[in-house]
Amino acid sequence: SQTIHQWPATLVQPVGSPLSLECTVEGTSNPNLYWYRQAAGRGLQLLFYSVGIGQISSEVPQNLSASRPQDRQFILSSKKLLLSDSGFYLCAWSVRGQGQPQHFGDGTRLSIL
Amino acid sequence: AQSVTQLDSHVSVSEGTPVLLRCNYSSSYSPSLFWYVQHPNKGLQLLLKYTSAATLVKGINGFEAEFKKSETSFHLTKPSAHMSDAAEYFCVVSPPYTGRRALTFGSGTRLQVQP
Repeated sequence: SQTIHQWPATLVQPVGSPLSLECTVEGTSNPNLYWYRQAAGRGLQLLFYSVGIGQISSEVPQNLSASRPQDRQFILSSKKLLLSDSGFYLCAWSVRGQGQPQHFGDGTRLSIL
Repeated sequence: AQSVTQLDSHVSVSEGTPVLLRCNYSSSYSPSLFWYVQHPNKGLQLLLKYTSAATLVKGINGFEAEFKKSETSFHLTKPSAHMSDAAEYFCVVSPPYTGRRALTFGSGTRLQVQP
């Protein structure tokens, strides 16, 4: 069966520090991969999605970037964190094809001080 | 274009009573529809999905949803609420084609279950 792993589960970082969140998927090949942010009391905002190695599409301009160095690895990064980057970050994967559901990791709670 | 509206931001029920979470959608095509549940500080878990087969869809944990094209609705129901059902629920719509905006999420309904 397929599984998705995100780490760390929680992270506290000072303003201006770098960020690296990692997500890996097991049990499937060539997945679509997604990064979302969920602000407190709000819905999900799609940040990035990827349909293959090195192929990243950004949904919103911001302080973050994403990379996909391997087929089942998706990394969310920042060179300098802002207070507004605080939130709950979720990674998801889906099989390719029409109308496929996405499957989510357990998320990373990021607090910026 | 597509959109999804969850009609209630909060729903409170007593344990053992029925649950109804309402969702209306708008889509230019015949969509796929999903319900997800999110417990505090957890990711979203897929409850059920509709993909143009049977209009009554059964999911996990006793939940089911009925696709009504004439009403553009996809309401989530459960006959008897359990304390463990307390969570945030998201209705999600997907068009029948792939693309970057593959999923549109509703704003969520927080379900409270009173003992």
